[in-house]
Amino acid sequence: QLQLQESGSGLVRPSQTLSLTCGVSGGSISSGGYSWIWIRQPPGKGLEGIGHIYQNGDAYYTPSLKSRVTISVDRSKNNFYLKLRSVTAADTAVYYCARMTTHYIDNWGQGTLVTVSS
Amino acid sequence: SYDLTQPPSVSVSPGQTASIACSGDKLGDKFVCWYQQKPGQSPVLVIYQDTERPSGIPERFSGSNSGNTATLTISGTQAMDEADFYCQAWDSGTVVFGGGTKLTVL
Repeated sequence: QLQLQESGSGLVRPSQTLSLTCGVSGGSISSGGYSWIWIRQPPGKGLEGIGHIYQNGDAYYTPSLKSRVTISVDRSKNNFYLKLRSVTAADTAVYYCARMTTHYIDNWGQGTLVTVSS
Repeated sequence: SYDLTQPPSVSVSPGQTASIACSGDKLGDKFVCWYQQKPGQSPVLVIYQDTERPSGIPERFSGSNSGNTATLTISGTQAMDEADFYCQAWDSGTVVFGGGTKLTVL
């Protein structure tokens, strides 16, 4: 059974870079037909897509975050990654990694809370 | 950017039918899916490709999509169905979520 697990710093200073890792187990990140996605949810608010990446490394980002985001993949480690630069308090959220197939998300990680504060 | 609009809240009595709408420009031309999220939990897919139900999702969950509106319908709503529901579509190579609807069963 596929499992995804987010890890990384839970506290980031303003203007710094948020870095998260998503570890994939129970399946290969190189499997065809899937992309790997980051989503966030500010406390008490709705879901927001950040971007996704295919196993060949092609990445696509939500326009509002595109200038600050990089998503990458390491097939040898079965991981994919999120970097969000120049963070502010508005970036405080639960960050989810997930697997996407044919435009819908069929497996989610448990999420990790990242707080931006000095 | 593409916007999906949902009502903030919907209330339903136990055993009755709940309908949650999701509207967007020419939404019927896109595939829509729906997620259920209970407090403190990750979202769970309940409908994909407008009308399809993943394995393990009760038959009382159904979906439709036409024109500018997609609808999630829960027939015979149970107390356990109380949750936030999000619609999602795909536009210009990225995922787009609706703002979410809180379903209250009372």
